Amino acid sequence: GAGVSQSPSNKVTEKGKDVELRCDPISGHTALYWYRQSLGQGLEFLIYFQGNSAPDKSGLPSDRFSAERTGGSVSTLTIQRTQQEDSAVYLCASSYAGTVNTEAFFGQGTRLTVV
Amino acid sequence: AQSVTQPDIHITVSEGASLELRCNYSYGATPYLFWYVQSPGQGLQLLLKYFSGDTLVQGIKGFEAEFKRSQSSFNLRKPSVHWSDAAEYFCAVGMGAQKLVFGQGTRLTINP
Repeated sequence: GAGVSQSPSNKVTEKGKDVELRCDPISGHTALYWYRQSLGQGLEFLIYFQGNSAPDKSGLPSDRFSAERTGGSVSTLTIQRTQQEDSAVYLCASSYAGTVNTEAFFGQGTRLTVV
Repeated sequence: AQSVTQPDIHITVSEGASLELRCNYSYGATPYLFWYVQSPGQGLQLLLKYFSGDTLVQGIKGFEAEFKRSQSSFNLRKPSVHWSDAAEYFCAVGMGAQKLVFGQGTRLTINP
């Protein structure tokens, strides 16, 4: 596609439920990032995929969070047993080479609200 | 600890006035530096970046930024703002091979 696509754009869920957030990166981009944007907190790195390498999961805040990337393309971020503090905008980005000096292109995000 | 600080949470300027948004970082090595803009309902867009060479870099939409190693700063400037510049601005630092670390953001409001 022309850009990074994220779905859904908005998600309201009840506390304790599981949610899945989807990211379709730009075709041909080998690197994919997930960030979380909380109000007044800036962007928090969650996880990074590069090609077939093991993902960098160092930013995942708890074991309730997981992500996978199938076939080197689409990625799904899963949050189990959601809590109110999980409410945030979840941003996905992709880049061609996956090094920090390669521009990352961001999707418009999924706004998650846990009630 | 490695960090990025944007001291101003919210700035208001009049249309046509000059603008400077501050960014300070804490990182042991020479960083890669970025400014992104997030307009309402939009994703983040790269304004400019610094990797090496000339410490004054030009970006899109008339923005520029200057890297000052002695001050660990990478401030964003624009000589004359337009109403369409109202947005949230994020400074980011590349730390390590792949990871971008972002500041908290500065929300810019433009008065007509």
